[in-house]
Amino acid sequence: DAGVIQSPRHEVTEMGQEVTLRCKPISGHNSLFWYRQTMMRGLELLIYFNNNVPIDDSGMPEDRFSAKMPNASFSTLKIQPSEPRDSAVYFCASWTLGKASSGANVLTFGAGSRLTVL
Amino acid sequence: AQSVSQHNHHVILSEAASLELGCNYSYGGTVNLFWYVQYPGQHLQLLLKYFSGDPLVKGIKGFEAEFIKSKFSFNLRKPSVQWSDTAEYFCAVNAGYSTLTFGKGTMLLVSP
Repeated sequence: DAGVIQSPRHEVTEMGQEVTLRCKPISGHNSLFWYRQTMMRGLELLIYFNNNVPIDDSGMPEDRFSAKMPNASFSTLKIQPSEPRDSAVYFCASWTLGKASSGANVLTFGAGSRLTVL
Repeated sequence: AQSVSQHNHHVILSEAASLELGCNYSYGGTVNLFWYVQYPGQHLQLLLKYFSGDPLVKGIKGFEAEFIKSKFSFNLRKPSVQWSDTAEYFCAVNAGYSTLTFGKGTMLLVSP
């Protein structure tokens, strides 16, 4: 498996522009997570989906952030409009819940999308 | 709600020194425990995990961790660190089918 695939790896944009980050989870995983990592706040869970349904979006900073998962193999995190304080590395991760002996319950991270908002 | 506490934010060691990073969690029931490592500029990778059985868990690159249920601890150890172990280490816990709760991380710097 190619693992969790994120794009773009790097994005530099200007304040006010729309940013869309993309994620393809590991095939067969039924849960997908979006995290944000900064030096100041560390690793923060933004939102997660189970079977394509958003379960908990309490970590989403504000209405400028939105996430979708239209199918089991694709998710987007959108920021509109973007602000300099959104600069961070955004990680997508996935797992499947089940019996530990089957290899389930292990969260696998993508390589991340480094966002810089000028 | 579960929480994870990592005692040290920064640790500096010389090569060949022994390492122990502390991790305590708060949850009264059965838990799954993890250590993840993030090398500079990279993503989080699984170092080792504990679900059940032998409380001494061996992971990759010579790391091990011991689950002590009475102390709610899952400390990470390595007998002799290398410069290439310089990274940030995250302890994480979940219970049942809940999401992972991560600690704030410990930055390890190994000087050659």
